[in-house]
Amino acid sequence: EVQLVESGGGLVQPGGSLRLSCAASGFNFNSYEMNWVRQAPGKGLEWVSYISSSVSTIYYADSVKGRFTISRDNARNSLYLQLNSLRAEDTAVYYCARGGSGSYFFFDYWGQGTLVTVSS
Amino acid sequence: DIVMTQSPDSLAVSLGERATINCKSSQSVSYSSNNKKYLAWYQQKSGQPPKLLIYWASTRESGVPDRFSGSGSGTDFTLTISSLQAEDVAVYYCQQYYSTPPTFGQGTKVEIK
Repeated sequence: EVQLVESGGGLVQPGGSLRLSCAASGFNFNSYEMNWVRQAPGKGLEWVSYISSSVSTIYYADSVKGRFTISRDNARNSLYLQLNSLRAEDTAVYYCARGGSGSYFFFDYWGQGTLVTVSS
Repeated sequence: DIVMTQSPDSLAVSLGERATINCKSSQSVSYSSNNKKYLAWYQQKSGQPPKLLIYWASTRESGVPDRFSGSGSGTDFTLTISSLQAEDVAVYYCQQYYSTPPTFGQGTKVEIK
């Protein structure tokens, strides 16, 4: 069974940093592209970042470019998102999502999410 | 970026009746060279993460009931729930993956009338 379990969320002050983690199991992690998608409270879905299976390709949404860094450790079956220079508008549930088979940009499995709250 | 617009924002349907959600993209998300439509649909129940229902506009994900169907091409797509069940109460999102960044519609809330 595919499982994605996020951790690392919490309350942080504006300008602060957090590191989110996603532990994957139940599939061959190093064969799949991975993504982070976020959802502000009561709002819709926003894709945040993508990393290819081999780490050769990385994309970011313009809203987080230069502040967030995606990475992965295939030996540990883990995905990460480093969040720096956080703003109030970054407050959201952050989901780890597996890329669809064939390396396409839809998301076939999602974690339960971890809440990041940016507030003073 | 491709803008995805869903209609309606919400709808209330009687149990056993049909529910139809529309999704329009600001540019075509169909690739003529391979005849593929880069459009997915997700279901999000209250307090849960989204769940993939349909990809390639009309391919049902494994385990998704056949009362869910997707159709459309170019810029206009539809998700149909042929006979609404109580467990289908949720917010539904369309998403294009034709180009980066992948973008979502604003969501359509489906309730029981």
